[in-house]
Amino acid sequence: DTAVSQTPKYLVTQMGNDKSIKCEQNLGHDTMYWYKQDSKKFLKIMFSYNNKELIINETVPNRFSPKSPDKAHLNLHINSLELGDSAVYFCASSQPGLAGGKNTGELFFGEGSRLTVL
Amino acid sequence: KNQVEQSPQSLIILEGKNCTLQCNYTVSPFSNLRWYKQDTGRGPVSLTIMTFSENTKSNGRYTATLDADTKQSSLHITASQLSDSASYICVVGTPSWGKLQFGAGTQVVVTP
Repeated sequence: DTAVSQTPKYLVTQMGNDKSIKCEQNLGHDTMYWYKQDSKKFLKIMFSYNNKELIINETVPNRFSPKSPDKAHLNLHINSLELGDSAVYFCASSQPGLAGGKNTGELFFGEGSRLTVL
Repeated sequence: KNQVEQSPQSLIILEGKNCTLQCNYTVSPFSNLRWYKQDTGRGPVSLTIMTFSENTKSNGRYTATLDADTKQSSLHITASQLSDSASYICVVGTPSWGKLQFGAGTQVVVTP
């Protein structure tokens, strides 16, 4: 069983379109994330939800809207796609970690969704 | 400037040899340091997680060290195998929940 699964794995679309990426985790974790990995391979946090509540919302254009119907799902909807949105988007989940403690919130990533905007 | 710098950017080693990857960080306050392995076209997978009180942690042939005073970490790969070819990413956590700073990774290629 895949712990964190996201669909689709590949997405090719035209500028201006709206698209969604779905993510599901079966680990029973409370926290889920969306990360963006650009061409330079840096992973950057976009959003984080804990028990369906938004807790991290980095400087991301309003065209990106996350939705968490329940704590096992976190979807990402993108409106009016632009060329610069082309990247690999990773979903991840974790249990919250205590700073300095042994429970440090290990992240489990999905396989990624490669978005190409033409 | 990125707060997590990794070196070298890329590395080619012969199968069976050892190698060491470096990670220097300026992230403060510091909570933990993680090393992830990312195979091409896959998501990152955790190798080790260390808090400030831990100096070393092993996971099979992978051994990570941490010097919180100098803000340096290393990942040592022993007796490399072809399957070790991947990008290795250093990640530093802060006490702020969910706030992680990622390095750009070191691309390791193991050749027969």
